Amino acid sequence: DTEVTQTPKHLVMGMTNKKSLKCEQHMGHRAMYWYKQKAKKPPELMFVYSYEKLSINESVPSRFSPECPNSSLLNLHLHALQPEDSALYLCASSPPRPRTTMSKNIQYFGAGTRLSVL
Amino acid sequence: SQQGEEDPQALSIQEGENATMNCSYKTSINNLQWYRQNSGRGLVHLILIRSNEREKHSGRLRVTLDTSKKSSSLLITASRAADTASYFCATSNQASKLTFGTGTRLQVTL
Repeated sequence: DTEVTQTPKHLVMGMTNKKSLKCEQHMGHRAMYWYKQKAKKPPELMFVYSYEKLSINESVPSRFSPECPNSSLLNLHLHALQPEDSALYLCASSPPRPRTTMSKNIQYFGAGTRLSVL
Repeated sequence: SQQGEEDPQALSIQEGENATMNCSYKTSINNLQWYRQNSGRGLVHLILIRSNEREKHSGRLRVTLDTSKKSSSLLITASRAADTASYFCATSNQASKLTFGTGTRLQVTL
């Protein structure tokens, strides 16, 4: 299984709603990522989890709350979002870094969740 | 801030022609990767070149890296309509972080 699965594919929510995005991989990867991508722009890193611990938070507003319940799952909890948060949210994972070599950090991406905040 | 700038921003060619896109970056790197993204979809890894390599091939793809100029190029030979996508370079200088370039939108017409 070489897939990263994201659900839902599309999500429309109001500014007072609470919703969650889900990401799952069964490749044994121990690093997982959330990216935000606006139209015609590159992905922007939001969070990195390494061995189920948050290792990087790119100064993301607290209305985005990540969670890594286990090594295969990554969630992004959304609360009180703004219309400018509308974007494609991408999840990715990468294999564990071998101890003896430099990490390649090749990332495997899901198809994304298209989020619209009204 | 963006690590990489890519040019051109958009490229339109006919099937069978070659497509070349360029990437410049600002800081030292461990490796440089190229990814493809079909419209509204996730990114797919294409090829990785290490900082001590100068050129690499994979099928119809050829990547060059010039660390003295902090630049890379991706050449797609004999392009096909299915190559229509956005292409991003991505640099890695930390174990857990990729920084993407601004991307090139490639349109291959029949």
